[in-house]
Amino acid sequence: EVQVVESGGGLVKPGGSLRLSCAASGFTFSIYNMNWVRQAPGRGLEWVSSISSSSSYIYYADSVKGRFTISRDNAKNSLYLQMNSLRAEDTAVYYCARGGTAMVFYMDVWGKGTAVTASS
Amino acid sequence: EIVLTQSPGTLSLSPGERATLSCRASQSVSNSYLAWYQQKPGQAPRLLIYGASSRATGIPDRFSGSGSGTDFTLTISRLEPEDFAVYYCQQYGSSPFTFGPGTKVDIK
Repeated sequence: EVQVVESGGGLVKPGGSLRLSCAASGFTFSIYNMNWVRQAPGRGLEWVSSISSSSSYIYYADSVKGRFTISRDNAKNSLYLQMNSLRAEDTAVYYCARGGTAMVFYMDVWGKGTAVTASS
Repeated sequence: EIVLTQSPGTLSLSPGERATLSCRASQSVSNSYLAWYQQKPGQAPRLLIYGASSRATGIPDRFSGSGSGTDFTLTISRLEPEDFAVYYCQQYGSSPFTFGPGTKVDIK
């Protein structure tokens, strides 16, 4: 079964750090681009970051640039999101989503999400 | 940054009716790299359409996408009870890969 499963969410104080992980299975992880998308409570979807299959291309939303770092380990079939200097407005469910191959970044496989709460 | 505007914000229809959802971009979406997603409460989004008009795997043919440049449309030919949800468009032609604010399709 093709799936991605997020982990690492939790409660963190503003200014703190958190590292999200996404474990992929059922497909050849190394040939797919990968994405992080978040959804604040009661709000719409917000694209956060994307990474190409070989990590050659990395993109960030302005709202997280300089604070978040996306990375992947193709040997471990895993995607990561290092989140530093967290703010209250980063509170959201974070979804890992598989992208396409080549330089295509639609999202065809989604995890159930992991909740991040930045609050004192 | 490409800003996506979706209209209407809410669409109230009955099962069996046709739904037409609009997504307008502030500038041309390159290669028609426009996707549509469906999201139900408490669930992750599901990809419906990519490349403006290609149905994703397993998506019923009552869902269709059209458009190019700055104007795109998602059509649901006959609404089934399970189609009442929020629909988002997303452009992935240029970073940042923005989403629209969503259209809620609810039961009239």
